[in-house]
Amino acid sequence: AQKITQTQPGMFVQEKEAVTLDCTYDTSDPSYGLFWYKQPSSGEMIFLIYQGSYDQQNATEGRYSLNFQKARKSANLVISASQLGDSAMYFCAMREGNSGYSTLTFGKGTMLLVSP
Amino acid sequence: GAGVSQSPSNKVTEKGKDVELRCDPISGHTALYWYRQRLGQGLEFLIYFQGNSAPDKSGLPSDRFSAERTGESVSTLTIQRTQQEDSAVYLCASSSYRVPNEKLFFGSGTQLSVL
Repeated sequence: AQKITQTQPGMFVQEKEAVTLDCTYDTSDPSYGLFWYKQPSSGEMIFLIYQGSYDQQNATEGRYSLNFQKARKSANLVISASQLGDSAMYFCAMREGNSGYSTLTFGKGTMLLVSP
Repeated sequence: GAGVSQSPSNKVTEKGKDVELRCDPISGHTALYWYRQRLGQGLEFLIYFQGNSAPDKSGLPSDRFSAERTGESVSTLTIQRTQQEDSAVYLCASSSYRVPNEKLFFGSGTQLSVL
């Protein structure tokens, strides 16, 4: 079974609107961390936001927030007030365990296109 | 250096040849990762080095793939007898390991094209 599932191959949003990118995960480890990365057409991987499994509050970083629903095993990324520069691939990733001693498993990504 | 450095940025090779891809991690980062990204696809884990521990090679797709790392410095990913399906961007990342939320810092990747 896939550990990270991103069901939206592509999403379209108009500038200044909010958009939610879906991510569900599968793990039996009670300790884990969830990451979102952005990959623009230039190819670089840009870290956006992190959510730990024991964090009580949803993570926020500027216009990015993570809608963490632990019981549903979902960690959706919400981008508020979309900008043209948000057009990119977005990857959800998970690290299992309670230390940094493991790799990140990535989903297949969602391509976001922001139109004027 | 300031970031993760990968070389070459582009590599074109003929089927059957061997290639070596290099990664210089951020100084002080003990963890180093190699991922493969085929066109339009997600990141596929290949191998993970953590300090002096035995590497996690569980993602290597075949015995044609190998990687080495000397201490906490440079890593080399070697692909022997390249095949056309090896064409992809090979991304290297590094991180420290102290906390669970330690993010990965990625290099710009090596675009490998096997003709």
